[in-house]
Amino acid sequence: GQNIDQPTEMTATEGAIVQINCTYQTSGFNGLFWYQQHAGEAPTFLSYNVLDGLEEKGRFSSFLSRSKGYSYLLLKELQMKDSASYLCAVRDNAGNMLTFGGGTRLMVKP
Amino acid sequence: DVKVTQSSRYLVKRTGEKVFLECVQDMDHENMFWYRQDPGLGLRLIYFSYDVKMKEKGDIPEGYSVSREKKERFSLILESASTNQTSMYLCASSPPGETQYFGPGTRLLVL
Repeated sequence: GQNIDQPTEMTATEGAIVQINCTYQTSGFNGLFWYQQHAGEAPTFLSYNVLDGLEEKGRFSSFLSRSKGYSYLLLKELQMKDSASYLCAVRDNAGNMLTFGGGTRLMVKP
Repeated sequence: DVKVTQSSRYLVKRTGEKVFLECVQDMDHENMFWYRQDPGLGLRLIYFSYDVKMKEKGDIPEGYSVSREKKERFSLILESASTNQTSMYLCASSPPGETQYFGPGTRLLVL
């Protein structure tokens, strides 16, 4: 089975840095995904990690430690438009199915 | 750009009705997925299809069935809708082993 945990809600200030953590316990692992979902909209792909380490994409970075079953999404220079839910998902060994965590709702305040 | 479309954004049905949710993708992806999304529970996989006429059960298939007669179209069927199937339904597609692209979702209310 798969168990994926992330905080339910976080609040941060515009211009700041925020780190959203995700821990997982899974029977198989073939990569970890982060998606962003604005209220009432579809999730959109943000980042993917399959090897340990940091992947950077502009203001967003994602880190993975497979031995610890841990990932985080780092958002820098927060903007109001970053207010959204952030979904962590682990892919199965076959490489097709994703299991999602409950999502973290981030509120960015002025 | 990948486009995944769903037949309705909002749907209201009565208990016991048969409900069809349609999903179409235009990128010739082999894989298609149906999820439901509920507050606090995240996205949960209902069914997955990896080819025409092929399907696999996800985590919560009870009360649902699916149909994939053409590669671009994946239908979710609620045989007899119940109030606990009120939810947001999201369709996704992907090439094998690659990231999934989501449709805009259908918010279903069962009265």
